[in-house]
Amino acid sequence: DIQMTQSPSSLSASVGDGVTITCRASHSIRSFLNWFQQKPGKAPNLLIYAASTLQRGVPSRFSGSGSGTAFTLTINSLQPEDFATYYCQQSYTTPYTFGQGTKLEIK
Amino acid sequence: EVQLVESGGGLVQPGGSLKLSCEASGLPFSSYWMSWVRQAPGKGLEWVANIKKDGSEKYYVDSVKGRFIISRDNAKNSLYLQMNSLRAEDTAVYYCAREVANIVGAVYYYYMDVWGKGTTVTVSS
Repeated sequence: DIQMTQSPSSLSASVGDGVTITCRASHSIRSFLNWFQQKPGKAPNLLIYAASTLQRGVPSRFSGSGSGTAFTLTINSLQPEDFATYYCQQSYTTPYTFGQGTKLEIK
Repeated sequence: EVQLVESGGGLVQPGGSLKLSCEASGLPFSSYWMSWVRQAPGKGLEWVANIKKDGSEKYYVDSVKGRFIISRDNAKNSLYLQMNSLRAEDTAVYYCAREVANIVGAVYYYYMDVWGKGTTVTVSS
């Protein structure tokens, strides 16, 4: 199975800051990498697919990059609604696997 | 509006069985692969299984192989997860999700773009 590792596990930032979350795959997954945002008690929400393609309706302050085994999610100018947990997920092969999550908290 | 609604969760004893359902509306259900994803209390997301549009292919995470069965009824716009030999570690919120294949630069990429609100399964004596 492909293991996905995110860093950091948690992150504190202020409204208006920019942050970057890293995701690494144990094997090359080309660009089959998706990013989700999840708020407490809610289902995950797709932000980015194919490593860098913004899902319709997602604000442009979110961006993704990378290919192979190293990927990043960047959020520019944090808004109050962005404080949540973020997950990467590979769709290169089954079993699909998720990173362990990065909790973004308000400083 | 595209909507997925899960049902069937509840409290079950270890070794017991439960069948989850996911009813889809607002989308051509038979055109999409579908997945189940679960989340144990306070933990991250774990993909459980998926099924091809016509039900002819099914894939599972190792931890549920031989115990869980994913199925669908396209005439009823419904997805199912039959869970047998349940264990405490199966306790989780179970989400169903639509899988989309979208072409980006001549390559088809797969992602789960619509999710239900989830149904809670608790395995405990």
